[in-house]
Amino acid sequence: RKEVEQDPGPFNVPEGATVAFNCTYSNSASQSFFWYRQDCRKEPKLLMSVYSSGNEDGRFTAQLNRASQYISLLIRDSKLSDSATYLCVVLNTGGFKTIFGAGTRLFVKA
Amino acid sequence: DAGVIQSPRHEVTEMGQEVTLRCKPISGHNSLFWYRQTMMRGLELLIYFNNNVPIDDSGMPEDRFSAKMPNASFSTLKIQPSEPRDSAVYFCASSLVQEGETQYFGPGTRLLVL
Repeated sequence: RKEVEQDPGPFNVPEGATVAFNCTYSNSASQSFFWYRQDCRKEPKLLMSVYSSGNEDGRFTAQLNRASQYISLLIRDSKLSDSATYLCVVLNTGGFKTIFGAGTRLFVKA
Repeated sequence: DAGVIQSPRHEVTEMGQEVTLRCKPISGHNSLFWYRQTMMRGLELLIYFNNNVPIDDSGMPEDRFSAKMPNASFSTLKIQPSEPRDSAVYFCASSLVQEGETQYFGPGTRLLVL
């Protein structure tokens, strides 16, 4: 079993749709959690951190459920520019051991 | 401020040749990470440094790979000898632990070994 698992998609949604991604992790001692975004042929960039209390940044909402060991990302009112791969990231062992999920591909169409 | 700088951006070489990838982290960052990304295996952490010291190199695939960080502003990843299966995009990232471990990635080096 992979340490971090994501549904690879692709998710094909129309503009304005709401889409949700889930990610599960296997190490219960994991300390920090993030969502990164990666555009085609570009480097990954931080989208948002994920906290137990949940956090929101505009159209994006991230949630962490430590008991069930999963992380979610909700995108509301999808834009064409949201088309990208979304990577779930887990940090273990003092904040250095970084595990990336394989990514979920999102296509938003007009 | 300049982001993470990597060179070269593209490298094409023949099997058996030595390849050296270079990285300049963001000034003031104290952690540096080398990753490899392929379609089959996704993004894999190869090695990370904290305050120029290698902390964990368990992700380095084999002895052909080596990494150094002689000072806070420079790191290299060397493959010797290179093989076709090393073809991938290699990313360098840096972070400042006090900022909550956000990693900032360089643009990557696209390596093709023929």
